[in-house]
Amino acid sequence: NAGVTQTPKFQVLKTGQSMTLQCAQDMNHEYMSWYRQDPGMGLRLIHYSVGAGITDQGEVPNGYNVSRSTTEDFPLRLLSAAPSQTSVYFCASSLRGREQYFGPGTRLTVT
Amino acid sequence: DQQVKQNSPSLSVQEGRISILNCDYTNSMFDYFLWYKKYPAEGPTFLISISSIKDKNEDGRFTVFLNKSAKHLSLHIVPSQPGDSAVYFCAARPVGADGLTFGKGTHLIIQP
Repeated sequence: NAGVTQTPKFQVLKTGQSMTLQCAQDMNHEYMSWYRQDPGMGLRLIHYSVGAGITDQGEVPNGYNVSRSTTEDFPLRLLSAAPSQTSVYFCASSLRGREQYFGPGTRLTVT
Repeated sequence: DQQVKQNSPSLSVQEGRISILNCDYTNSMFDYFLWYKKYPAEGPTFLISISSIKDKNEDGRFTVFLNKSAKHLSLHIVPSQPGDSAVYFCAARPVGADGLTFGKGTHLIIQP
């Protein structure tokens, strides 16, 4: 099992550009989520999904879109990047009600 | 308003001694608590969890204690080893939900 994989590992964007952060898991987990971590802060929930076709907002959803067309994939889209979105992004997955497993992260810088 | 608080940004412990990391929470709806360990440039790794129906859970060198009346939990690591040096995050999940609320983390440094 590869677990939770994320691509790319690093990305630099200019303000206003768009991009998609990829996340995939091979554990057949129903639940997937995106968090961001800023310096000196804990992880904060952006969006989550409890199954294919079902998504919902977390604590800090503004500026991000998600979709879940398959159980395995949960991409995070930035439509118009802003410097405030400079952060490290983590994808996680789990069975419902169980501990979440995290990917290695994507470090995003918006200039 | 922080619902999960880890008031010690860092903690230094001698190798072989006990490490105690603390976490406080304010939301009475939290019923499941987890500890994650994170090395630089890696994702958080699940360590141990506890349900609100228990007050203690053990897994090898790691024990988590939950005091619901005080809204406080702690992670004990005995004995501490050099590989335990990392940032430890406390996280909590409310009843009926899956999303986690994290504390800001405690950087544990194990001194040889």
